[in-house]
Amino acid sequence: EPEVTQTPSHQVTQMGQEVILRCVPISNHLYFYWYRQILGQKVEFLVSFYNNEISEKSEIFDDQFSVERPDGSNFTLKIRSTKLEDSAMYFCASSEVSYRGTEAFFGQGTRLTVV
Amino acid sequence: SQKIEQNSEALNIQEGKTATLTCNYTNYSPAYLQWYRQDPGRGPVFLLLIRENEKEKRKERLKVTFDTTLKQSLFHITASQPADSATYLCASTDSWGKLQFGAGTQVVVTP
Repeated sequence: EPEVTQTPSHQVTQMGQEVILRCVPISNHLYFYWYRQILGQKVEFLVSFYNNEISEKSEIFDDQFSVERPDGSNFTLKIRSTKLEDSAMYFCASSEVSYRGTEAFFGQGTRLTVV
Repeated sequence: SQKIEQNSEALNIQEGKTATLTCNYTNYSPAYLQWYRQDPGRGPVFLLLIRENEKEKRKERLKVTFDTTLKQSLFHITASQPADSATYLCASTDSWGKLQFGAGTQVVVTP
């Protein structure tokens, strides 16, 4: 069964450092998303991406964040200068179409720890 | 903006019984509500989707209802098993497929 793959599974970084989280969405999907979940809190939307551009972003997704689809398979989230409060589980998701109601397939997540 | 509310208290239930979870939304009626399962340290896994004009949807031992008058969806797990123990997330789907999740309800099924 096709799945969304994320690497690394766990990343520890020093405050102020840049991190890149990587995702390989399901191959025939066209819509890509990043979500995050701070420990003990709900899953929060960060950004959606379609046709090589951001289609929607949340207030959390400020100038420190960027996304890219550098080739036909990878989808990355970059945090330019990490803060302690960026520590969270980051989930990549993809879906076949974006119309309301399409199920999203989530990866297993990258646990980011900022020290 | 839309707010999705789920009961934050864990639901403890005996094996074989039916678990019923509640999801309330505060503003406009979403065109779709989705239910996901999340195990500790894992990503959400899609379970069921119900459209605004549908009253009920079933999949194996799972059933979802959607009541636009009450602004509520109920999620039922019938004949619950210990393997059903997880956190269940309700989400509304917005434009571009963005999911807005509730905080989730933990279900613990004891033998």
